[in-house]
Amino acid sequence: SAVISQKPSRDICQRGTSLTIQCQVDSQVTMMFWYRQQPGQSLTLIATANQGSEATYESGFVIDKFPISRPNLTFSTLTVSNMSPEDSSIYLCSLEVTGGSGDTQYFGPGTRLTVL
Amino acid sequence: AQKVTQAQTEISVVEKEDVTLDCVYETRDTTYYLFWYKQPPSGELVFLIRRNSFDEQNEISGRYSWNFQKSTSSFNFTITASQVVDSAVYFCALSEAGDDKIIFGKGTRLHILP
Repeated sequence: SAVISQKPSRDICQRGTSLTIQCQVDSQVTMMFWYRQQPGQSLTLIATANQGSEATYESGFVIDKFPISRPNLTFSTLTVSNMSPEDSSIYLCSLEVTGGSGDTQYFGPGTRLTVL
Repeated sequence: AQKVTQAQTEISVVEKEDVTLDCVYETRDTTYYLFWYKQPPSGELVFLIRRNSFDEQNEISGRYSWNFQKSTSSFNFTITASQVVDSAVYFCALSEAGDDKIIFGKGTRLHILP
């Protein structure tokens, strides 16, 4: 499986500011995903990011709040805009690896965000 | 609609005991995929296993084993001779053929007590 890194690993931010999270992969992948995990909760898909096209957002998530870039096959960013305490979560990127028997998603280490 | 239910919110067992984590899923597709992930306190999500709907063979990997029963729509995970390092939140998940989206259960927090 590919090696996935995220920056920053954690951050504490003030209300109203924005934070950009980076996801770097050591091999080229077509599909990358961004998830949010609110405290004590499960993972929820924010959007799917394919290189060369606009990200596809899930219900409840909008581009103005969570703009995503996918400039190449090894990199993506997620910005959390105009943050509020409710945005405090772990944000994880993942990539899809196609194997002999199908696809599996592997996850980055996550970015732990606290908004004051 | 897809749904994954992990009824056990939290489990505590003493080290060396066996423990089973339950997972029940719902899907209308005949082709689907089931997953288990481990999330230790550090926060990263570690892939454990992927099972295709057409493969009902149970799987064993070291102290880990998985029991897939299509008749009851269950995909349970057993840890044998548990160790403190097994303490984590474990997520069961489901995706349907042709859909890259993974639906996660709410997770089971497992405490292994020394």
